[in-house]
Amino acid sequence: QVRLVQSGAEVRWPGASVKVSCEASGYSFIDFYIHWVRQAPGQGLEWMGWIDPNGGGTHFARKFQARVTMTRDTSITTAYMELTSLRSDDTAVYFCAREAVDTSGYYYISLWGQGTLVTVS
Amino acid sequence: SNELTQPPSVSVSPGQTASITCSGYILGGKSVYWYQQKPGQSPVLVIYRDSRRPSGIPERFSGSNSGNTATLIITGIQAVDEADYYCQAWDTFTRTFGGGTKLTVL
Repeated sequence: QVRLVQSGAEVRWPGASVKVSCEASGYSFIDFYIHWVRQAPGQGLEWMGWIDPNGGGTHFARKFQARVTMTRDTSITTAYMELTSLRSDDTAVYFCAREAVDTSGYYYISLWGQGTLVTVS
Repeated sequence: SNELTQPPSVSVSPGQTASITCSGYILGGKSVYWYQQKPGQSPVLVIYRDSRRPSGIPERFSGSNSGNTATLIITGIQAVDEADYYCQAWDTFTRTFGGGTKLTVL
């Protein structure tokens, strides 16, 4: 079964850091980018960046460049997103999501984790 | 402020057609993706590369993209379509979401 399973809810003080994990199963982990997206309570989706599990290359939204790190451990098919210098407005559900490719070679995001609530308070 | 603008809400009666727009200068030359999200759930992709439907998405969902505006069209609206809908612009490196539209089925 192809799926992404994220770590559990976290509570942090302002100024602290949080690291969320996303364990992949049922497919070749290194074949598809993993994206991170967050959603504050009652708000819209916000794209944070992606990691290429095959080599570890990353790209971040400008808003998060100074505070986010995305890594992966291919031995346990897990991607990580770490956000530092947390503020109250970082309180959100954080999703990981995986790209896929269709028969025409077009990429799309096909699979989402269940989300991880991070509360900064 | 959001670089991609969507109407905050759209209301439509069952059986009618809903159109949700997504506009912004950053759309020029980029592909647009549309996601459906119901309360408490992860998003679901309903349209990719402007007009392609993933496997399992009903033919009632279609999309178009021209200039600086993309449109999601849902025909024959059903109660199950009530959800938030988000557009997303893809370029080589970045993926930018619109602010989202709440679709209400009257």
